Amino acid sequence: GEDVEQSLFLSVREGDSSVINCTYTDSSSTYLYWYKQEPGAGLQLLTYIFSNMDMKQDQRLTVLLNKKDKHLSLRIADTQTGDSAIYFCAERLNTPLVFGKGTRLSVIA
Amino acid sequence: GAVVSQHPSRVICKSGTSVKIECRSLDFQATTMFWYRQFPKQSLMLMATSNEGSKATYEQGVEKDKFLINHASLTLSTLTVTSAHPEDSSFYICSASGQAPWDTQYFGPGTRLTVL
Repeated sequence: GEDVEQSLFLSVREGDSSVINCTYTDSSSTYLYWYKQEPGAGLQLLTYIFSNMDMKQDQRLTVLLNKKDKHLSLRIADTQTGDSAIYFCAERLNTPLVFGKGTRLSVIA
Repeated sequence: GAVVSQHPSRVICKSGTSVKIECRSLDFQATTMFWYRQFPKQSLMLMATSNEGSKATYEQGVEKDKFLINHASLTLSTLTVTSAHPEDSSFYICSASGQAPWDTQYFGPGTRLTVL
């Protein structure tokens, strides 16, 4: 079945790197996504990776995909207080996307 | 990126009234729109999926007569909460996706509904 798992909380110091991890169960996922949700707001697409890629980097964001282990991670370099939010990973099998429960990132100044 | 708007952003209504929430894709044609509900500090709960011109497909446990969804055009879907009760108070988020295989879901900013 479809299932996406994430740890619920992560706390880092400002300036450090954050790594948010996600595991999924269905190896036929075509795309995997990271969304960011700030308090009281909708979800903002941060980045996505196609399933035949291992890594994708976009400025401070690096996405790593290990298809063998069905593991996806999002690394945020030089984490800032503005990065404090909930981060959702999601996999695309068909429609709609399957979301994890979200990881709440707290950045300590 | 693609822009999805929702209106209103916040609404307070009395118990027993109906509330309509609009979701618009502003710069792309959304063949499919999704309605989610989010409780405080919880993940998204998919309520229904709608394709333009078709009846919405509701998730198990979601009352279709209570949550009326209309997807009349490729840029507009509406969710009407009928005879609202305090337990319907929640954050409602819509999302839209286009036609290409790589299209992801783009989310609206959400609507905070409070039923008194």
